[in-house]
Amino acid sequence: SAVISQKPSRDICQRGTSLTIQCQVDSQVTMMFWYRQQPGQSLTLIATANQGSEATYESGFVIDKFPISRPNLTFSTLTVSNMSPEDSSIYLCSVGLGPDTEAFFGQGTRLTVV
Amino acid sequence: DQQVKQNSPSLSVQEGRISILNCDYTNSMFDYFLWYKKYPAEGPTFLISISSIKDKNEDGRFTVFLNKSAKHLSLHIVPSQPGDSAVYFCAASAKRGNEKLTFGTGTRLTIIP
Repeated sequence: SAVISQKPSRDICQRGTSLTIQCQVDSQVTMMFWYRQQPGQSLTLIATANQGSEATYESGFVIDKFPISRPNLTFSTLTVSNMSPEDSSIYLCSVGLGPDTEAFFGQGTRLTVV
Repeated sequence: DQQVKQNSPSLSVQEGRISILNCDYTNSMFDYFLWYKKYPAEGPTFLISISSIKDKNEDGRFTVFLNKSAKHLSLHIVPSQPGDSAVYFCAASAKRGNEKLTFGTGTRLTIIP
């Protein structure tokens, strides 16, 4: 298993500003993912955070809006840029430990944009 | 285009009875299916999974059934306990392990004491 710490757990931000969310894992992991859960919706994959290279974004998500860093095998950040109220969501970090394991999730960051 | 669907947003079940949560999918490339459980203010936690080569997987009180021809899976919880009250998400992927997950919208299960 893996222990995943996300910071902050929640925040209220002004529109037009940016927020960086941190994800720290207690062990080295090969795969890290960022998901978004908008109110009443399912979890949607934003991107795969690749160590040492640019993140791989899913359709509908772009690097300018959601820049991601992954400097090592235990840490990643997701920035939500130039926020609008539509960005109000829960953002979740997820990790994969290998081909024979299931994905683990952090506790999420609840973001409210006003 | 919702590739994984959970058509029941909520379900209430008497304690001790069986809870049945349903999930449908449309993408034939999905080969691995999972159920996650989520409490408020916590991230989803893995519950049980099934590969497309099986039609049933059981783990204690939890059993997942897969009907590949109907593109349908269900989660059975028996007997249901108050601690089972949570939101349950069905998820699918092309393979087990590191592949990205496609989630349903979730079903809120309430167990009535």
